[in-house]
Amino acid sequence: DSGVTQTPKHLITATGQRVTLRCSPRSGDLSVYWYQQSLDQGLQFLIQYYNGEERAKGNILERFSAQQFPDLHSELNLSSLELGDSALYFCASSIGQGYNSPLHFGNGTRLTVT
Amino acid sequence: AQSVTQLDSQVPVFEEAPVELRCNYSSSVSVYLFWYVQYPNQGLQLLLKYLSGSTLVESINGFEAEFNKSQTSFHLRKPSVHISDTAEYFCAVSSDMRFGAGTRLTVKP
Repeated sequence: DSGVTQTPKHLITATGQRVTLRCSPRSGDLSVYWYQQSLDQGLQFLIQYYNGEERAKGNILERFSAQQFPDLHSELNLSSLELGDSALYFCASSIGQGYNSPLHFGNGTRLTVT
Repeated sequence: AQSVTQLDSQVPVFEEAPVELRCNYSSSVSVYLFWYVQYPNQGLQLLLKYLSGSTLVESINGFEAEFNKSQTSFHLRKPSVHISDTAEYFCAVSSDMRFGAGTRLTVKP
């Protein structure tokens, strides 16, 4: 058990809809990362937050947004969903801002857009 | 910018055979390197890491990786694999934690 909790485990929704994925980091970790994993794109880094502030941005679409709250949990909001957004979304946490801090991953949220 | 390349997308091997999963990186600055493993229906787990010091790092389940600065490589090896090692393996380089494309290791009986 990594200590990182992601909810929900599965999500099925229709195109055009909006969903929110939630992540609780491991106790003591200040950084939260979001990744998208799909068969054709592999593991894509989306965004990182450190202690409530955006720290780094990757291949995150404008339709997607995230935030980290004062209690350090994070939410990833996906809107105007398309079929191609179907993927496994992972949250990870680390103790520091990154670079030399290993990541601890949740078990992911599987999003299916129909 | 830093990047990481995993040279093999799939590696099939027989049980008890040795295996090497290759990872090359590009960076103009000092790097920290990681290998993660992903078992089916699970998130990634840290396998081993190189931060500094000895260039040979080991995991608790028999894997090892060697940091080679001149060849900009961090290949993962195991002298004898088990069926339970079947998984996807990801190499990652520090900066913003970008991962390689992954190598699917399949161990056959």
